[in-house]
Amino acid sequence: GQQLNQSPQSMFIQEGEDVSMNCTSSSIFNTWLWYKQDPGEGPVLLIALYKAGELTSNGRLTAQFGTTRKDSFLNISASIPSDVGIYFCAGPNTGTASKLTFGTGTRLQVTL
Amino acid sequence: SAVISQKPSRDICQRGTSLTIQCQVDSQVTMMFWYRQQPGQSLTLIATANQGSEATYESGFVIDKFPISRPNLTFSTLTVSNMSPEDSSIYLCSSQLLNTEAFFGQGTRLTVV
Repeated sequence: GQQLNQSPQSMFIQEGEDVSMNCTSSSIFNTWLWYKQDPGEGPVLLIALYKAGELTSNGRLTAQFGTTRKDSFLNISASIPSDVGIYFCAGPNTGTASKLTFGTGTRLQVTL
Repeated sequence: SAVISQKPSRDICQRGTSLTIQCQVDSQVTMMFWYRQQPGQSLTLIATANQGSEATYESGFVIDKFPISRPNLTFSTLTVSNMSPEDSSIYLCSSQLLNTEAFFGQGTRLTVV
């Protein structure tokens, strides 16, 4: 089946630093979704991307749909403690647009 | 977006018993899904809950172990049957309104002892 690999797997950063993470696939995706999961909660949708090359921002978050359609990137600027959590990319399965495959996740920890 | 309420939020259960998890959406939705998230892992789709018909299960998941109900367009249940410690996970309900954007409940953290 389709797999989405995220890197880095985890990262420790200091408050105020910028963060970059990415998501790659061996197959083409037509949609990329980025979610954040806080401890003890369900994932929350951050950004949705629908077009190759698209760059979309949501506050301090910026995500890009890679031009090859096999990758996507998420950047967080000026990180704050509440950015702590696990970030997942996701995309619809081939042939079944409603089912999502989730990436392996990037765990972000912020130190003061 | 849709607001999704799940209950219970957590439970500790004895092996061999069953637990039913409820999922309520604040609007009518065509598609509802159930996911499992094992400790430290990503989300894995268990099944699609179809209103008016049987659920559609993903490879590795079967109806006898994870029976699902979908009596109407706003509600679904997932039962984890004959539980063992390997079933200890977070179980998540989701729905989709537009395209593929999925919205999640807060999850049910299940511990089987």
